Amino acid sequence: DQQVKQNSPSLSVQEGRISILNCDYTNSMFDYFLWYKKYPAEGPTFLISISSIKDKNEDGRFTVFLNKSAKHLSLHIVPSQPGDSAVYFCAASATDKLIFGTGTRLQVFP
Amino acid sequence: EAGVAQSPRYKIIEKRQSVAFWCNPISGHATLYWYQQILGQGPKLLIQFQNNGVVDDSQLPKDRFSAERLKGVDSTLKIQPAKLEDSAVYLCASSFRTGDLMNTEAFFGQGTRLTVV
Repeated sequence: DQQVKQNSPSLSVQEGRISILNCDYTNSMFDYFLWYKKYPAEGPTFLISISSIKDKNEDGRFTVFLNKSAKHLSLHIVPSQPGDSAVYFCAASATDKLIFGTGTRLQVFP
Repeated sequence: EAGVAQSPRYKIIEKRQSVAFWCNPISGHATLYWYQQILGQGPKLLIQFQNNGVVDDSQLPKDRFSAERLKGVDSTLKIQPAKLEDSAVYLCASSFRTGDLMNTEAFFGQGTRLTVV
């Protein structure tokens, strides 16, 4: 039972443009959502989070949007840079659990 | 601030052998997680500790996997005997989740890449 889904395994975006990564969840008990970024041979690093009481959180070039009614969140990266090329995981939390999606590989090309 | 430390970085063993991984979380972090990440998949939670007590081990294959967290600090994850399908990256993470401070992010170590041949 995949409670957190990232349906796009990969995304390719030109440098300077917007990258939009999507994530869907099924468990309405999730109340905290996070995005992690992972480079090869490294552990995931925290990027940005959002509480279920908000619908938007912004940090520099990164913005996360939450649509609770649709059980959907998205990560916007503007402008995209080549250094953003990595695998992005969304994660959701209910009480103590932290459940991850399958990841989306973002490639930013010049 | 020192991050989450894991060792070894890489391990190759034959099937049916035993292996152990070690994790030292960030100082003061009460919650410690072990995740298994198979190639092409997202991290899957194996076990979660709050201090030295187990919060969730529902996805830990207990016939072959075991984990402990001594004195609520360091943790070890053991596989005995290993199977080919255990080949994965094993990630340790910690967070400051305690009491009302539930919504804090988890910090990950670099992981241990296990190859079972």
